[in-house]
Amino acid sequence: GQQVMQIPQYQHVQEGEDFTTYCNSSTTLSNIQWYKQRPGGHPVFLIQLVKSGEVKKQKRLTFQFGEAKKNSSLHITATQTTDVGTYFCAGESNYQLIWGAGTKLIIKP
Amino acid sequence: DAGVIQSPRHEVTEMGQEVTLRCKPISGHNSLFWYRQTMMRGLELLIYFNNNVPIDDSGMPEDRFSAKMPNASFSTLKIQPSEPRDSAVYFCASSWLQGGVVPEAFFGQGTRLTVV
Repeated sequence: GQQVMQIPQYQHVQEGEDFTTYCNSSTTLSNIQWYKQRPGGHPVFLIQLVKSGEVKKQKRLTFQFGEAKKNSSLHITATQTTDVGTYFCAGESNYQLIWGAGTKLIIKP
Repeated sequence: DAGVIQSPRHEVTEMGQEVTLRCKPISGHNSLFWYRQTMMRGLELLIYFNNNVPIDDSGMPEDRFSAKMPNASFSTLKIQPSEPRDSAVYFCASSWLQGGVVPEAFFGQGTRLTVV
């Protein structure tokens, strides 16, 4: 069936370092959404990308949607403790959201 | 709006007992989703309703699980009989789906279910 692979599963960074998570779909997506889930919390919508090659920024977060609409990435510049959590991508295909497994951002003490 | 409201927030039950989880979607939303989240399997879509009608229940693990949406403002997910492997966080989410792009989903706080 349709899958969205998300890597890495975990990323440990020092505060101030950058963080990137990648999603790859086995099929072309209509659009892709990104969510953040804080520890003990629920997924919260961050952004939606619709157009091929689209790039959107939210302060230190940069989201990209690939030209073929099969892959996407989220890059966080200069991570802060408030960025801690798990970041999920969810690709839409045939009016269904297909979720990636998430990447957990961990700030090293 | 109070957002998506789920109850209870925590449930501990013994194996074999019936468990009912409840969800009140955001007023005006026409789509409702039930998800299960575990460390091993991540976030799984169990069932999806549109205009109170179940559209896709292919994610419901087995006959012990059932979901209903009797009206636009209430849904239940029932597990009978419950088993320890059903222990997970169950999320309800709602959105406004119309022709075109699937919009963002608003999640409730979740119900943490522990079956002992």
